[in-house]
Amino acid sequence: AQSVAQPEDQVNVAEGNPLTVKCTYSVSGNPYLFWYVQYPNRGLQFLLKYITGDNLVKGSYGFEAEFNKSQTSFHLKKPSALVSDSALYFCAVRDSLDSWGKLQFGAGTQVVVTP
Amino acid sequence: EADIYQTPRYLVIGTGKKITLECSQTMGHDKMYWYQQDPGMELHLIHYSYGVNSTEKGDLSSESTVSRIRTEHFPLTLESARPSHTSQYLCASSEYVGTDTQYFGPGTRLTVL
Repeated sequence: AQSVAQPEDQVNVAEGNPLTVKCTYSVSGNPYLFWYVQYPNRGLQFLLKYITGDNLVKGSYGFEAEFNKSQTSFHLKKPSALVSDSALYFCAVRDSLDSWGKLQFGAGTQVVVTP
Repeated sequence: EADIYQTPRYLVIGTGKKITLECSQTMGHDKMYWYQQDPGMELHLIHYSYGVNSTEKGDLSSESTVSRIRTEHFPLTLESARPSHTSQYLCASSEYVGTDTQYFGPGTRLTVL
């Protein structure tokens, strides 16, 4: 069975400061990991994914995420947050052994960036 | 932006009405999904499809039904809407092979009075 945890319901950061959104996962096989962002009254927008290779993945809008196998984590980061980054962020995992390939989503983390 | 569309975006209806939420994608994806999401909360998979004439129930029990007659179209139907169906419904699609990155539509916010 696969699972994903986002330990923080909300992250508050001042504009210009670094932003980190935490995610840990559990899978039987190898993980395929994803980050999505959701703005109010919108669907989810794909940010980035890790499948294999370099542990540091770069995505849209200056976001990046670091895969850490020993800590089973895939934290989302941005060096300098913008007010427009305020949104709901979802981490998701797919188990490579799951033949169908369903995604398991975390509960989401609300990011609030203050001017 | 992904080429996946949902209509209507917002719907307010009375109890007992039959409704169909539309979802279409122009990416040629074989897999399609329906998720239910209360505002600001986690996503729950309610239906998915491998391809034409294939539909499966998801992790969350739902009174809705789906059909997949055409690759690009995956409508969701509620035969008799109730206030407990009030939620946001998100449609997504992905390719059958590879990493299965899911792309989402804008969602339909349903309110049943």
